[in-house]
Amino acid sequence: AQSVSQHNHHVILSEAASLELGCNYSYGGTVNLFWYVQYPGQHLQLLLKYFSGDPLVKGIKGFEAEFIKSKFSFNLRKPSVQWSDTAEYFCAVNAGNSGGYQKVTFGTGTKLQVIP
Amino acid sequence: GAVVSQHPSRVICKSGTSVKIECRSLDFQATTMFWYRQFPKQSLMLMATSNEGSKATYEQGVEKDKFLINHASLTLSTLTVTSAHPEDSSFYICSATRAGGSREQFFGPGTRLTVL
Repeated sequence: AQSVSQHNHHVILSEAASLELGCNYSYGGTVNLFWYVQYPGQHLQLLLKYFSGDPLVKGIKGFEAEFIKSKFSFNLRKPSVQWSDTAEYFCAVNAGNSGGYQKVTFGTGTKLQVIP
Repeated sequence: GAVVSQHPSRVICKSGTSVKIECRSLDFQATTMFWYRQFPKQSLMLMATSNEGSKATYEQGVEKDKFLINHASLTLSTLTVTSAHPEDSSFYICSATRAGGSREQFFGPGTRLTVL
């Protein structure tokens, strides 16, 4: 079974600070990886995703994530955060295969608070 | 594109009654829809996966007779919480994947259920 770990539960940063949120998964085969964001009072939105190819994935709003297969990690980064990035961030993994659809498993989420 | 709506957004009901929540894909056909439950300060927990025209697949520990799922068309799935109890109070979120598309899930805004 697949699982996802997000080690940072609550992160507080000042504006312009750099961000890195950790995400580790456990699954031995091919995976699809996602980062979702939930802004206060809004529903989940996709930030970025990795299916194959370049392991450095760029998403919306200046976010990027790097898939490191040897470390089973897919950390989210942003060089300079803004107050508007205050939200909860969820890492998710879906075991990819050629047939059928496998469920997506979510991490427990990281609440990011950016102080102006 | 890829908008998912849920109705109602908020519902309060008495213990013992049944509540139906609708999930609609507004601008795409969704072969697969997912129902999640989100507890306070926790991640999304997948309840069941439903494919249009077939029975839903429930996750371990989810009572299928209590949480009835019907995926009658390519744009509509319903979750009925039968004989609701206060412990069923939660935030229920649906998501959908496009027919013939990638594994990306598009999320609805969620439904807050409160059982008195």
